[in-house]
Amino acid sequence: DAGVTQSPTHLIKTRGQQVTLRCSPISGHKSVSWYQQVLGQGPQFIFQYYEKEERGRGNFPDRFSARQFPNYSSELNVNALLLGDSALYLCASRHSGKNEQYFGPGTRLTVT
Amino acid sequence: AQTVTQSQPEMSVQEAETVTLSCTYDTSESDYYLFWYKQPPSRQMILVIRQEAYKQQNATENRFSVNFQKAAKSFSLKISDSQLGDAAMYFCACGGGADGLTFGKGTHLIIQP
Repeated sequence: DAGVTQSPTHLIKTRGQQVTLRCSPISGHKSVSWYQQVLGQGPQFIFQYYEKEERGRGNFPDRFSARQFPNYSSELNVNALLLGDSALYLCASRHSGKNEQYFGPGTRLTVT
Repeated sequence: AQTVTQSQPEMSVQEAETVTLSCTYDTSESDYYLFWYKQPPSRQMILVIRQEAYKQQNATENRFSVNFQKAAKSFSLKISDSQLGDAAMYFCACGGGADGLTFGKGTHLIIQP
């Protein structure tokens, strides 16, 4: 079975621009979470979606938004990019009734 | 709110030896889960082992085992018979609900041949 997939792999944007990152969960997983990992730190929770509804949100500004589609894939949007948004963005999926999350390879975002 | 502390920024062990990585946590949840993830240079986070807080028995996965001390809020990872492929960043995480996982800052594990 395919694992969690994310696209694109790498992305370079300019301050003030907007970016959309994409994630496809493991087949059968209905929950998707997004994390931001700054270099040298552990991942930080951004959002959790389950059955297309936001179920949890971390301490991130409103510039960050997400949505989940009927096929359980998800998009993370970041508006008005700042240099500090440069990070590895990780997507994780989880099966209903289970608590372990499985991560994708991440999207590395560089803001210049 | 949850906090996870990994006090060892870096650990080094000889190949085939045993190493223990430390983790302490704090949570107000009564029902929670604890995890160890491995992140090699490829940056893909790989689940190593999980522990349900309501279970007293320590989890074991092949060469990986945990020492879960609930009262002390401690959750250490023991790697036996260390192999070169074990070299990576190791992250301790706490969570299980809608608030996602809270991660520590990680421990860089070096395996010396």
